[in-house]
Amino acid sequence: EAGVAQSPRYKIIEKRQSVAFWCNPISGHATLYWYQQILGQGPKLLIQFQNNGVVDDSQLPKDRFSAERLKGVDSTLKIQPAKLEDSAVYLCASSSPGGNYGYTFGSGTRLTVV
Amino acid sequence: AQRVTQPEKLLSVFKGAPVELKCNYSYSGSPELFWYVQYSRQRLQLLLRHISRESIKGFTADLNKGETSFHLKKPFAQEEDSAMYYCALSKSNTGKLIFGQGTTLQVKP
Repeated sequence: EAGVAQSPRYKIIEKRQSVAFWCNPISGHATLYWYQQILGQGPKLLIQFQNNGVVDDSQLPKDRFSAERLKGVDSTLKIQPAKLEDSAVYLCASSSPGGNYGYTFGSGTRLTVV
Repeated sequence: AQRVTQPEKLLSVFKGAPVELKCNYSYSGSPELFWYVQYSRQRLQLLLRHISRESIKGFTADLNKGETSFHLKKPFAQEEDSAMYYCALSKSNTGKLIFGQGTTLQVKP
């Protein structure tokens, strides 16, 4: 089966600019996650979708981050305006109903804010 | 608070030596625990989960609720085991994963 697709792979922006990341999950996977992985740390959940509804966005800095999952398939994560501390790898993952099993990660987008 | 701790940032062993990657957790309920692995230039992928009690690539992990640990073990390390290993915890049926900081395993020839 095709994996979780993410784009772009790399992005360099200046602070205060905006940026968007795209994710296409595995077909049929209802649950989609965005994780932030800062260098030297483990991934941290930003937001979890079930179909096109938000299940958990408690760790999402809502003053600058937003995410949507239109039609319950693709998802975009946006940062506006970006700060230096947003430099990280942004990982998208999807899973089939039931959540914990068959959790598949994309290759990630490496964001550098200068 | 739910937390996963991996005390070693780097573990370096020689090929053929036993390996134990440590993972401790704090969680008030019944956790589900996982090990994920990321090989160089590859995606993060599931290695094993405690509920299935399986052995993958020679690795095993036993959940010790008394010590709140889920250490990953392999009796004889191979060079291809060199990678970053993450321990993760999930609340039952939520899907959300809480990761440790990761341990880099370096297997020397």
